[in-house]
Amino acid sequence: QVQLQESGPGLVKPSETLALTCTVSGGSISPYFWSWIRQSPGKGLEYIAYMNSSGDAGYNLSFRSRITMSVDTSKNQFSLTLSSVTAADTAVYYCARDVSYGDYRFDPWGQGTLVTVSS
Amino acid sequence: DIVMTQSPLSLPVTLGQPASISCRSSQSVVYTDGNTYLNWFQQRPGQSPRRLIYQVSNRDSGVPDRFSGSGSGIDFTLRISSVEAEDVGVYYCMQGTYWPPTFGQGTKVEIE
Repeated sequence: QVQLQESGPGLVKPSETLALTCTVSGGSISPYFWSWIRQSPGKGLEYIAYMNSSGDAGYNLSFRSRITMSVDTSKNQFSLTLSSVTAADTAVYYCARDVSYGDYRFDPWGQGTLVTVSS
Repeated sequence: DIVMTQSPLSLPVTLGQPASISCRSSQSVVYTDGNTYLNWFQQRPGQSPRRLIYQVSNRDSGVPDRFSGSGSGIDFTLRISSVEAEDVGVYYCMQGTYWPPTFGQGTKVEIE
């Protein structure tokens, strides 16, 4: 069965760039849609962005120009970068799979990785 | 963005009794195709969320039939007909009609 595993730095300093990777095992990146969702005590669940294996992407404009997603089909990974982080970006970041655009079943999810923004 | 407002935020329930969670959207979440992309998710303690209900009232595969969803327009309800111990957790509504998808703040269900 398909499993997702997020990886990232754990601790990021304010104003720096957060980089997260989600590794897909037990299945292929294609032809699915891949999402990033975060969960913080202050804002609950927040949808960040999606991308498919062809590079089509949609970003939550709440993050303005701070986010970028990429997919590496050769490594079966997809990534998220979030620039100019502040304490408000402290959250558990999840990656998730969707079978089609707008389905939002998110099956499976990764276990989540906690990112803390602090100096 | 569409704001999803849930009530109550905390719901103590007795095993075997029914439970009901409400969700209201800041505007109608009926899409131009006539469908309403309103989902319900369950997050058990220490786990990632999982979807229970899509398009208001359709259960995802493997979801027990004690879970049901209803509603239209801006008002939606998730019902558990007879609460079991494994139902403890936080429940979220989520609209997928408008970009970006947005979640309610969550309702914590606990056994009294």
